[in-house]
Amino acid sequence: AQTVTQSQPEMSVQEAETVTLSCTYDTSESDYYLFWYKQPPSRQMILVIRQEAYKQQNATENRFSVNFQKAAKSFSLKISDSQLGDAAMYFCAYRAIQGAQKLVFGQGTRLTINP
Amino acid sequence: DVKVTQSSRYLVKRTGEKVFLECVQDMDHENMFWYRQDPGLGLRLIYFSYDVKMKEKGDIPEGYSVSREKKERFSLILESASTNQTSMYLCASSLFGAGGEGTEAFFGQGTRLTVV
Repeated sequence: AQTVTQSQPEMSVQEAETVTLSCTYDTSESDYYLFWYKQPPSRQMILVIRQEAYKQQNATENRFSVNFQKAAKSFSLKISDSQLGDAAMYFCAYRAIQGAQKLVFGQGTRLTINP
Repeated sequence: DVKVTQSSRYLVKRTGEKVFLECVQDMDHENMFWYRQDPGLGLRLIYFSYDVKMKEKGDIPEGYSVSREKKERFSLILESASTNQTSMYLCASSLFGAGGEGTEAFFGQGTRLTVV
């Protein structure tokens, strides 16, 4: 079974600084999707960024980028120029391409932005 | 604007009650999911469905059942609520078999259930 691990329950960063959230996963599949979701205090889960495992290029969405290391099964999220609105729970998630298309989530990292 | 709507944001029920959590999506998605969110445990899958009247157990199905009579609606049922089912419940939906942007799952705003 696939598992996703986020080893940082909480992180904090100064506004305008850069922060990196860590995620590792375990799978025997060679092709899959990885995601970072954000859950602000409103509780609405929002997709931040997606990575297809067959793509070597790291995904980027504005201030958000990932460092995808397939061999190490590592998928970290870098947030540049942190803003107060980035404060939220961040969840790393895995989805297989074949079979059941469920998302497997990590434990979450609570990110605090200090003004 | 895509939408997944959960019937209640907050719910308080008594031990032993039968509880229904409703979820409706307007995106014609085939896949629907029920997750439970607890601090330090992330989101854990209770049940999912990839078609009307189809259901599959997730990682923690004990004490729960589901119903999907129509494509847009997926209900989670707590047969006899217990205090250890106090939690946040999140519904999600996604396209079946899609790649790329179609892999995104859309979530409801969650139902915080308290069983007393």
